[in-house]
Amino acid sequence: DTGVSQDPRHKITKRGQNVTFRCDPISEHNRLYWYRQTLGQGPEFLTYFQNEAQLEKSRLLSDRFSAERPKGSFSTLEIQRTEQGDSAMYLCASSLRGENTEAFFGQGTRLTVV
Amino acid sequence: AQKVTQAQTEISVVEKEDVTLDCVYETRDTTYYLFWYKQPPSGELVFLIRRNSFDEQNEISGRYSWNFQKSTSSFNFTITASQVVDSAVYFCALSEAVNTGTASKLTFGTGTRLQVTL
Repeated sequence: DTGVSQDPRHKITKRGQNVTFRCDPISEHNRLYWYRQTLGQGPEFLTYFQNEAQLEKSRLLSDRFSAERPKGSFSTLEIQRTEQGDSAMYLCASSLRGENTEAFFGQGTRLTVV
Repeated sequence: AQKVTQAQTEISVVEKEDVTLDCVYETRDTTYYLFWYKQPPSGELVFLIRRNSFDEQNEISGRYSWNFQKSTSSFNFTITASQVVDSAVYFCALSEAVNTGTASKLTFGTGTRLQVTL
């Protein structure tokens, strides 16, 4: 499978727990994006990396959220002290840096905070 | 700030009908990119098309066609002879061109749910 891979696909956690999601982009893609999607809404941008550098973070990303891409390959998104409002689908996408490129998305991690 | 508006929340058509999904965008950038993505029930966003702001040519790909009009800030998507497999949520998205003119983060609309029935 050469697409974007996300793990786990589903996560149920208790409020206050920490969770970590992983994204493996398409291998030659140097850009990696994280989005969050709630029911009935379009995806909302959270953050993105070019290689290992985190170039932009959304104001939506509170200090409980942290993302890394240590070697410019896979990325992790951690949410500390989860809240019920964090329940959403977390989508990862990757692309090549360039003019005519498009982002390819993974199947997402659905987080439910109970 | 960028904004994408998809005013149609849900559309239902009978198979073989043509259907047009509307998309209106707002941006202050002179160079930008527009996209359409399809999200079937499985949840994965599937890329359909990208358009650059300096290329207003309409495009046709099989049963799909796109009408880009800068004068009205619209990028509408038409499916001809719809099929049940077209049932999905369709998102229009906008990306600013940062620094060197490359596409970057996407601003999505709220999506249009298309239901095609027999």
